[in-house]
Amino acid sequence: DGGITQSPKYLFRKEGQNVTLSCEQNLNHDAMYWYRQDPGQGLRLIYYSQIVNDFQKGDIAEGYSVSREKKESFPLTVTSAQKNPTAFYLCASSYRSLTTEAFFGQGTRLTVV
Amino acid sequence: GQQLNQSPQSMFIQEGEDVSMNCTSSSIFNTWLWYKQDPGEGPVLLIALYKAGELTSNGRLTAQFGITRKDSFLNISASIPSDVGIYFCAGQGPAGANNLFFGTGTRLTVIP
Repeated sequence: DGGITQSPKYLFRKEGQNVTLSCEQNLNHDAMYWYRQDPGQGLRLIYYSQIVNDFQKGDIAEGYSVSREKKESFPLTVTSAQKNPTAFYLCASSYRSLTTEAFFGQGTRLTVV
Repeated sequence: GQQLNQSPQSMFIQEGEDVSMNCTSSSIFNTWLWYKQDPGEGPVLLIALYKAGELTSNGRLTAQFGITRKDSFLNISASIPSDVGIYFCAGQGPAGANNLFFGTGTRLTVIP
């Protein structure tokens, strides 16, 4: 079955450590996105990528990094520079066209202690 | 980045009642999408709209793409307890570096 997979579902890290969240899709989508969601809040865009080897900062990119070496994969690294990393992280993907649908993964809840 | 104006922010309704929520933007969109998010899960796509004026149904859900291409609404008829969740609208605009924008969400509570 085609879909978009995030792993792990829950992640715990000590303060000051970098951590990488995985996002893989087999939908042959060109575009991939990372969002952050805080409790009771909407979605805030961290990074997005329209094609392989290219990505752009979103609204809250500070303290995060990404790579897009393969079309299927768009990992997000939460670095120690991110001041408040505890949040729910969502990955999405879509075709790169004017009328398309975006699909989300199940999310990763990151807790930094 | 652009965020869509979604209202209401939250709703408390009795089971069996109908629900209506809407989304507006200052920009024109080519596609309107409506999602539902359950606690601790990723948003799930409910309805996609591609054409101005389009009215689309998915079971008890009905959504419309505004004629001006700057707004959309979602109706839920005869609400049931499992309708509880956060509903997000999203608009996809003209071609650009990033053309996918989300509303702030409507939190729906259904009282049995």
